[in-house]
Amino acid sequence: NAGVTQTPKFQVLKTGQSMTLQCAQDMNHNSMYWYRQDPGMGLRLIYYSASEGTTDKGEVPNGYNVSRLNKREFSLRLESAAPSQTSVYFCASKGQGGQPQHFGDGTRLSIL
Amino acid sequence: RKEVEQDPGPFNVPEGATVAFNCTYSNSASQSFFWYRQDCRKEPKLLMSVYSSGNEDGRFTAQLNRASQYISLLIRDSKLSDSATYLCVVSPSGNTPLVFGKGTRLSVIA
Repeated sequence: NAGVTQTPKFQVLKTGQSMTLQCAQDMNHNSMYWYRQDPGMGLRLIYYSASEGTTDKGEVPNGYNVSRLNKREFSLRLESAAPSQTSVYFCASKGQGGQPQHFGDGTRLSIL
Repeated sequence: RKEVEQDPGPFNVPEGATVAFNCTYSNSASQSFFWYRQDCRKEPKLLMSVYSSGNEDGRFTAQLNRASQYISLLIRDSKLSDSATYLCVVSPSGNTPLVFGKGTRLSVIA
């Protein structure tokens, strides 16, 4: 029962380095999402993909890019990491209509 | 007005207590409603969907009032393991992203 799988689980970067966070789902969901969550704060949507081939900005897209590689995979790229991007990143997917989202177990990213 | 508003808490209750969380949403066209649970430093997990007629799952009862744009979650006979943050979640329409409240923190104390 894999659901939503994120890699890596932990990563430490230096300022200015680049990094791609990977996310894959095996539930045949059309929609996929990337969130960040800072300590003691709520979830903030970075980017989402309502269907294969489309991506849209969320609340906090600056400093990030995404790729919807195929229906299963949705990656998040930091081109030049900054300390302000230190956070926990969650990927999620959702089926059609008013279905709930399912989350991966997160990537804990620290940028020094 | 924020899209989804919750009392952040914390709610500190003794074991066995009944506790209720409330949530209001601003978009009257919202179609689907959920409660999620998030443990410290873990991913949010679906607790239950919320249906118009209200629904129950064991010790948990969810209610929806569309006229007042209000959702509630009632937890009966609280357990230590219920300690977590509870997120109120609203779906504006079919394929737009879900809107998450910032959560209400619950601590159940022995």
